[in-house]
Amino acid sequence: DAKTTQPNSMESNEEEPVHLPCNHSTISGTDYIHWYRQLPSQGPEYVIHGLTSNVNNRMASLAIAEDRKSSTLILHRATLRDAAVYYCILRGQTGANNLFFGTGTRLTVIP
Amino acid sequence: NAGVTQTPKFRILKIGQSMTLQCTQDMNHNYMYWYRQDPGMGLKLIYYSVGAGITDKGEVPNGYNVSRSTTEDFPLRLELAAPSQTSVYFCASKTNRDTEAFFGQGTRLTVV
Repeated sequence: DAKTTQPNSMESNEEEPVHLPCNHSTISGTDYIHWYRQLPSQGPEYVIHGLTSNVNNRMASLAIAEDRKSSTLILHRATLRDAAVYYCILRGQTGANNLFFGTGTRLTVIP
Repeated sequence: NAGVTQTPKFRILKIGQSMTLQCTQDMNHNYMYWYRQDPGMGLKLIYYSVGAGITDKGEVPNGYNVSRSTTEDFPLRLELAAPSQTSVYFCASKTNRDTEAFFGQGTRLTVV
């Protein structure tokens, strides 16, 4: 399975935009890019996913590079509730399409 | 609609004891998963199931067993607990391969 690389930690001021990067240079043409986040003492929750085009939903935006070797999760206005570990995951098209989690990026939001 | 429910939330086991972690979902999802998360680490897949009667191993299956007799339930069995199994266990489900996964709140297990 293709791997992803994320910074271990990032900080953001409250109400400012946050750009969380993810590198996935060995991504295959059929791998979807998924983002999940894990709030303290909770299970992961889905944030967004995409294949080639940029995607927007009520939680965030996902910007995918043209060559698909990297992507960026964008939180438009960080709140204290957004403090979490964010996981960038490649989901393949075979088997049960399992989600393989790395260590993610721990986002700290400063009031 | 409760989503994915895990029981118990916390448990302390002695070395060599056995227990079953329960997971049930009320969303009629075909796919179900068990993950473990060690401190400061990401989640690792233990076992998964694509439907009732079908299970398969994930990345770290040793020391665990699962069954899937119904669509709703996917219990995880530890037969001989070891300290290395101290972890937080998460169950997840999704409807098919192109959808988001829903996770339970986790079971924190300590083996002493």
